[in-house]
Amino acid sequence: NAGVTQTPKFQVLKTGQSMTLQCAQDMNHEYMSWYRQDPGMGLRLIHYSVGAGITDQGEVPNGYNVSRSTTEDFPLRLLSAAPSQTSVYFCASSRGLAETQYFGPGTRLLVL
Amino acid sequence: DAKTTQPNSMESNEEEPVHLPCNHSTISGTDYIHWYRQLPSQGPEYVIHGLTSNVNNRMASLAIAEDRKSSTLILHRATLRDAAVYYCILMAVTGGKLIFGQGTELSVKP
Repeated sequence: NAGVTQTPKFQVLKTGQSMTLQCAQDMNHEYMSWYRQDPGMGLRLIHYSVGAGITDQGEVPNGYNVSRSTTEDFPLRLLSAAPSQTSVYFCASSRGLAETQYFGPGTRLLVL
Repeated sequence: DAKTTQPNSMESNEEEPVHLPCNHSTISGTDYIHWYRQLPSQGPEYVIHGLTSNVNNRMASLAIAEDRKSSTLILHRATLRDAAVYYCILMAVTGGKLIFGQGTELSVKP
């Protein structure tokens, strides 16, 4: 199993550009989530999904959209990037709501 | 969501045991205590979790106070590869949102 994979590893955007961060898992996990981590800080939950077709907001959802059309994929979309969205983004998945979460390697995003 | 309090940083010598404390005085009866760690430039990884009883696995032990208001993660013999930020997180059995605090940055000296 590849586990949780994220692409790209690193991305530079200009303010106002849009992009999609990809996340995929091959463990047939129902629960998936996105976090961001700013320098020296803990992770903050952006959005999460408890199954295909179901998504909900976390602590810091503004500026981000998600959808979950398949069990395997959970892309995160930035519609109009802002410098405040410069961060490292982690995707995670788990079998269920209270189960161990498995994290991807992260995507480093720099917005100029 | 109930909060946890951890020291910002701790130091340990290689090959010695490490006790990482966590206070969670507002824990509810259905909150699990989870520990994750984050190695430099990596995503967090699961370490251990428990509800009421002490727990052991190949990575660590978790000691939970009788009143559940505090817990301690025990690394029995620290290695240089254990240098990481350790997060103590409460997770409700009905909801899987992990709320990360600042964590404890553990440094291990050779």
